[in-house]
Amino acid sequence: KQEVTQIPAALSVPEGENLVLNCSFTDSAIYNLQWFRQDPGKGLTSLLLIQSSQREQTSGRLNASLDKSSGRSTLYIAASQPGDSATYLCAVDNAGNMLTFGGGTRLMVKP
Amino acid sequence: EAEVAQSPRYKITEKSQAVAFWCDPISGHATLYWYRQILGQGPELLVQFQDESVVDDSQLPKDRFSAERLKGVDSTLKIQPAELGDSAMYLCASSLALAQVETQYFGPGTRLLVL
Repeated sequence: KQEVTQIPAALSVPEGENLVLNCSFTDSAIYNLQWFRQDPGKGLTSLLLIQSSQREQTSGRLNASLDKSSGRSTLYIAASQPGDSATYLCAVDNAGNMLTFGGGTRLMVKP
Repeated sequence: EAEVAQSPRYKITEKSQAVAFWCDPISGHATLYWYRQILGQGPELLVQFQDESVVDDSQLPKDRFSAERLKGVDSTLKIQPAELGDSAMYLCASSLALAQVETQYFGPGTRLLVL
């Protein structure tokens, strides 16, 4: 059974810092990996999707990398802003678009 | 921009009562998902529909939970009877198809509190 772990569980940084969120998964036979953002009490918003054949994806200040063989992904956020404060979740798709989520990293960016 | 709609947004109920949640996916999306998210954890898939058919419900506690999507559009998730451990956020998502690269679009969720 696929297990997804995110480290750290919580992170607090001052505005302007570059930061890295980590995601690891136990079964490397994945079709893709996605990073989502969740604001308190809200639904999830997809940030980046990396297909299994890709190594990384970029969107604005966000860059996600994937090392399928080692079961790891990182989300890099450049020049963090208070508006980036949210929970970030990674999810892996092993088959049929059924996602297994990690527990999330709660990010607080202080002004 | 089209969104996934869910109602109610909040529900408080007593143990042993029945509750129902409704989801209306983005128009044209064939695949619909129900997730449960316990506070502080990631979402867990409960059931996946392709049109009106169940694709996977292996994680759905079938003794008390049921889900239907009769006309292949909107969907209802029911819990009867509710238990204290069912307190969670229930999220609905939809995607265009079952292809592996389809992004899932999530609704705002229904937060359930069982007393």
